Amino acid sequence: KQEVTQIPAALSVPEGENLVLNCSFTDSAIYNLQWFRQDPGKGLTSLLLIQSSQREQTSGRLNASLDKSSGRSTLYIAASQPGDSATYLCAAPYGGATNKLIFGTGTLLAVQP
Amino acid sequence: ETGVTQTPRHLVMGMTNKKSLKCEQHLGHNAMYWYKQSAKKPLELMFVYNFKEQTENNSVPSRFSPECPNSSHLFLHLHTLQPEDSALYLCASSHGTSGTMQDTQYFGPGTRLTVL
Repeated sequence: KQEVTQIPAALSVPEGENLVLNCSFTDSAIYNLQWFRQDPGKGLTSLLLIQSSQREQTSGRLNASLDKSSGRSTLYIAASQPGDSATYLCAAPYGGATNKLIFGTGTLLAVQP
Repeated sequence: ETGVTQTPRHLVMGMTNKKSLKCEQHLGHNAMYWYKQSAKKPLELMFVYNFKEQTENNSVPSRFSPECPNSSHLFLHLHTLQPEDSALYLCASSHGTSGTMQDTQYFGPGTRLTVL
């Protein structure tokens, strides 16, 4: 069964730093991988979706990569800002589906002004 | 109103109560989802509906009963819950047909449920 792990569990950086969040998954037969952001007590906001045929996706200061063979994805945040402080979640589908997601436990990011 | 909305935002209920959570999406999507987010546990998929048909029940206890009357509305009926069912319940929707960006899921703000 698909298992998703995120490292580190928490990260604190000063404003302006570039940073990398890691996600690993056990079943590499996935159609896509998604990254989300969750603010405290709120719902999730989709950041990026990478199809299995792609190696990366970019949106503004965010860049997500996908390496199916190694079962890894990374989310790169450039020039971090205090407003980036949130929990970042990655999710991979299971059971041969594209939309039945297994989520990681998340990385809690704090960007210090 | 746009996006995915959920009501109520907060709910406190006793173990013998019956209550319902409501989700509505204004995105023209055909797939809707219920998730449970407990403290210190990963977000868990509960149910999936595609074009009003349930396509996934992730071994959810029968005290949780979903209903999808149409592609825009999703309910979660609750009865005889346990304190361990206290959690944030999130609804999401997606386009419902596979395709480049159509698997992206859009989430509502959630209902914070407390069972006494």
